[in-house]
Amino acid sequence: KNQVEQSPQSLIILEGKNCTLQCNYTVSPFSNLRWYKQDTGRGPVSLTIMTFSENTKSNGRYTATLDADTKQSSLHITASQLSDSASYICVVSAETGGFKTIFGAGTRLFVKA
Amino acid sequence: EAGVAQSPRYKIIEKRQSVAFWCNPISGHATLYWYQQILGQGPKLLIQFQNNGVVDDSQLPKDRFSAERLKGVDSTLKIQPAKLEDSAVYLCASSPRGGTKNIQYFGAGTRLSVL
Repeated sequence: KNQVEQSPQSLIILEGKNCTLQCNYTVSPFSNLRWYKQDTGRGPVSLTIMTFSENTKSNGRYTATLDADTKQSSLHITASQLSDSASYICVVSAETGGFKTIFGAGTRLFVKA
Repeated sequence: EAGVAQSPRYKIIEKRQSVAFWCNPISGHATLYWYQQILGQGPKLLIQFQNNGVVDDSQLPKDRFSAERLKGVDSTLKIQPAKLEDSAVYLCASSPRGGTKNIQYFGAGTRLSVL
């Protein structure tokens, strides 16, 4: 069964600290993995996308890693800011005859001053 | 560049009533998606259009949900009749083409509460 599991479910950190969010998936055949940021009351916004051959991708203070062998990805946030408070959603896609995209439930991050 | 527009932002109805949501994608985007996002969960795809044709509606509860994109531009999603479990945020997204490598641009969503 195609699944995307994220951990932790929620996280509270102090402003300026780093944090790492985890994503494990069983989607097959793997095509790409994307991390989205969803602010409260807004739609998700794409942060990074990685294909099978890429094992790291950065977007400012966000760095995503991918281990296609273990089917794990992480999103590392450096020097967190209050504006990083949001849900971070891992999305894994497969391409068979058609397209299949599976969304994780997200990690809710709270950054405190 | 204007983003994906959705209306209304909020809607409160009683169970068994009908409701409709509207989405206007980014100009020129051929692919349009409707998602249902229940509180605390990730979005679930309801239907995907390529221009005015349906690509995937396998998770759309067709006994009560319907969607159309008649002219290949804006789209409406309808629920008739609504159930309590339909309470969720309904997100519309668009992308220039189909395929999972293309970024999907999301609207702010319509928050539906069914009482």
